[in-house]
Formats: sequence, structure tokens, C-alpha cells
Amino acid sequence: QLRLQESGQGLVKPSETLSLTCTVSGGSISSSSYYWGWIRQPPGKGLEWIGSIYYSGSTYYNPSLESRVTISVDTSRNQFSLNLSSVIAADTAVYYCARQSGYPDCWGQGTLVTVSS
Amino acid sequence: EIVLTQSPGTLSLSPGERATLSCRASQSVSSSYLAWYQQKPGQAPRLLIYGAASRATGISDRFSGSGSGTDFTLTISRLEPEDFAVYYCQQYGSSPLTFGGGTKVEIK
Repeated sequence: QLRLQESGQGLVKPSETLSLTCTVSGGSISSSSYYWGWIRQPPGKGLEWIGSIYYSGSTYYNPSLESRVTISVDTSRNQFSLNLSSVIAADTAVYYCARQSGYPDCWGQGTLVTVSS
Repeated sequence: EIVLTQSPGTLSLSPGERATLSCRASQSVSSSYLAWYQQKPGQAPRLLIYGAASRATGISDRFSGSGSGTDFTLTISRLEPEDFAVYYCQQYGSSPLTFGGGTKVEIK
């Protein structure tokens, strides 16, 4: 059974870089059938897609965040990662990683990241 | 960017009733690449429907999706207590992937 688990900082200071990792178990991140993505949800609000990566390293990002986002993949560890630079309070959210068959079909439990000094 | 507008914002119904949720796109969704998710408090979203009308694995047949182009509907035929939650539509036909603002189905 596929499982995704987010890990990383729970508190980030304004202007710093948010870094999260998603560890995939029960399946290979090198599958040719899927992309792997990040989605976030500010407290009490809706969902926003951040970006996605293929096992080869090919990425596509939400233009609204593209200047600050980097997603990378480590196939040897079955992990992919998110870096979001120059964070502000509005970046406070639950961050989810997910497998994408076009649509996200399997999600991690999510991790709350708070931006505060 | 395709903007998805969900209505109503809140739907107040009783168990056993039928729920009809709407998702309207600002432009046509390519190949009916439209999905629906259910989210309960403190949980990740769960995929219900993809391709506008295909149920995901393990999803009850009480859930059905329909529509094409710019207008899509999620129907829950008979509400069970566990169905009260927030529902999101999402399009994956063009980048960026976008989500609707959600419809909360609450107990009347």
C-alpha cells in the first residue's frame, strides 16, 4: 500500500527558506506513470497546487509561486523535496505531498508550517 | 489559469437526502479532466471521482460525477453520517492545476 510522509521544519522565520521532504513507501518514485507533487492549504482555506516533479527531474510549477519554488527528487532514497524561498506569513499552511496521475490520487497526511519570527 | 467556482458554499441537508454540488469552470476543461475530493477536519483530501465521472477505488456508488466542458456536478444519492464534509473539485487538464473553493455539506 502506497504511503507518503512529509517531514521538515514546522516553524520558519520570514524571509527564510521553507524546506520539506516527502518520503514514499510501498511503491517506487521512479514509476513512469506518475508525477509527484506538493499542494498547500492555509488554515481554514482552500487548496493550492504548488508544483510537481517526474522521476527524471522534469518539473512544472504554479506561476504564482514559480519564482520562489524548487522541487527536486532523490530516486535512491525514494524521496522528493520542496524548497520555498523568501517566505512570508501568507505561506503559513498545511503542506501536502501527493502522487499524481494527472490528478493527485494519494496524499500524505500533511504537515503544518508556520511562518513567524 | 482555469478558475473553478463551486456552489453552493454550504449545503445543509439531513441524512438520507440527496446532495447536488456544482463546479463551474472559467473555460472548458480539457478532456473532462475534472476530479472531486472529500476532506474531513484534520485529514488530507480523499479522491472520490476522476475524469469527471469515474469513481476512485473503494468509493461508494452513492457518489457519482457528471458534466463536461465548463459545468460539472457531484451527486451524493443518499447522505450517510460520514458524508458530511467539505468537497473540492479540481481540474488537471491544463497547468496550473487548480481547485475550487469548496462546498461544505453540513447536517441540517
